[in-house]
Amino acid sequence: ETGVTQTPRHLVMGMTNKKSLKCEQHLGHNAMYWYKQSAKKPLELMFVYSLEERVENNSVPSRFSPECPNSSHLFLHLHTLQPEDSALYLCASSQDWSGGNIQYFGAGTRLSVL
Amino acid sequence: GQQLNQSPQSMFIQEGEDVSMNCTSSSIFNTWLWYKQDPGEGPVLLIALYKAGELTSNGRLTAQFGITRKDSFLNISASIPSDVGIYFCAGHRGNTGKLIFGQGTTLQVKP
Repeated sequence: ETGVTQTPRHLVMGMTNKKSLKCEQHLGHNAMYWYKQSAKKPLELMFVYSLEERVENNSVPSRFSPECPNSSHLFLHLHTLQPEDSALYLCASSQDWSGGNIQYFGAGTRLSVL
Repeated sequence: GQQLNQSPQSMFIQEGEDVSMNCTSSSIFNTWLWYKQDPGEGPVLLIALYKAGELTSNGRLTAQFGITRKDSFLNISASIPSDVGIYFCAGHRGNTGKLIFGQGTTLQVKP
C-alpha cells in the first residue's frame, strides 16, 4: 500500500464515451501527477499539479482533461478517446514540486479504448 | 532531449544468480531513483540516491550514484523468483520535481 489509490483499476470504453479516472492520496502531499504508460515506452508525464494549480502540461491532447479540486484528489476526465490512448494510466504524488522529491505511485488504471 | 538509456532491456536468469543493470545519460542528474513494477501494479520505490558516489543498499539490492552524475547502477544479489518484474531508473534534473524515466529492464528468474 503506497498511500495512493486509483479507481477504477480497469476501464473499457468506446470512442464516444465520457469517463473519469480518480486518484486519491493519503500522504499529505502537495504535488500530484498523471502519467501514461504504454508497452515498450518510458513513462510519459502528462500533467502536474502543485498546491492545486496545474504547473506542467506536456502537450497532451484536449480529449484528456485533468482536475484537481484539492491537494488530496486528482481526476482525469476522458472524452472521445482514440484506440491509441489504450494504456496504463498512473497517478503519483510527492511532498512538493521541487527537485529531489520522491514520487509515490498508485496501482494504475488499465484503460482499453474500443 | 533529456533521455535516460537503461540496459539491458531484458534479462532471463537462474535463481541464485546476481543481476546488474544500469542507466546512463549525456546530462547531469541531481537525484537517482530506482523503482520496481510488478505486473498489474504501479512502480514502487526501491532506492533513492542524492549524492555523487553514494552507494546505498536495501536488503539484497545495492545502487550507486555515478561519480560523474551521469549514470547509476542497480545490483541484485542472489536473485529469487519474486524479483521478477520491471525495474526503472529515474532521475531529477534542475529544480522541479519532474522525473525522467529509463525504458525499464524486464527481469525474469527461473526457479
